[in-house]
Amino acid sequence: GAGVSQSPRYKVAKRGQDVALRCDPISGHVSLFWYQQALGQGPEFLTYFQNEAQLDKSGLPSDRFFAERPEGSVSTLKIQRTQQEDSAVYLCASSLRSRKGNTEAFFGQGTRLTVV
Amino acid sequence: QQQVKQSPQSLIVQKGGISIINCAYENTAFDYFPWYQQFPGKGPALLIAIRPDVSEKKEGRFTISFNKSAKQFSLHIMDSQPGDSATYFCAASEGNTPLVFGKGTRLSVIA
Repeated sequence: GAGVSQSPRYKVAKRGQDVALRCDPISGHVSLFWYQQALGQGPEFLTYFQNEAQLDKSGLPSDRFFAERPEGSVSTLKIQRTQQEDSAVYLCASSLRSRKGNTEAFFGQGTRLTVV
Repeated sequence: QQQVKQSPQSLIVQKGGISIINCAYENTAFDYFPWYQQFPGKGPALLIAIRPDVSEKKEGRFTISFNKSAKQFSLHIMDSQPGDSATYFCAASEGNTPLVFGKGTRLSVIA
């Protein structure tokens, strides 16, 4: 596809369950970002990859959150032992890397996670 | 500490009017300032962006005004239309670092 694809679109998890969220970035985009968006709030940074290297994971809220991008394309965000406070929309974005700095970040539609 | 402060939280504008949303930032190393538009159930989409070497950028009905000394930038939507009703986010970044977003402004354009 032409855009960033995320799956599933919706996920309902029972508290304590593990979940895995997938992101297919735009082909050729070096940079990949994960954001968490609570209802009525702006996206909050979680983690960032350049190719397969995770350059920044300072936004991950706890050690229950783990992200990987093993081949530098598809990325997975995993949340272990989900809690109700994990309920949010998880957004993935990708962009080209430029010597001039950031270029347009293209966002997927997000995965809405509801923990019950 | 919130790095990008956005106001107002919500805005109601008459059709044909001008919508103005403001953002202020703290980090003087920020060098990229985009505005994103988000419709319900969709991801944010880039509307317009500016770098600090210019004070204004216009694309169609959308204009960014940038004041480096005041560390502020704003989005102006001219001739606002009902289809512009959405949530708008300002953001900022330094180099290739991840974007930092404001909390958003919910715009409603009424006929």
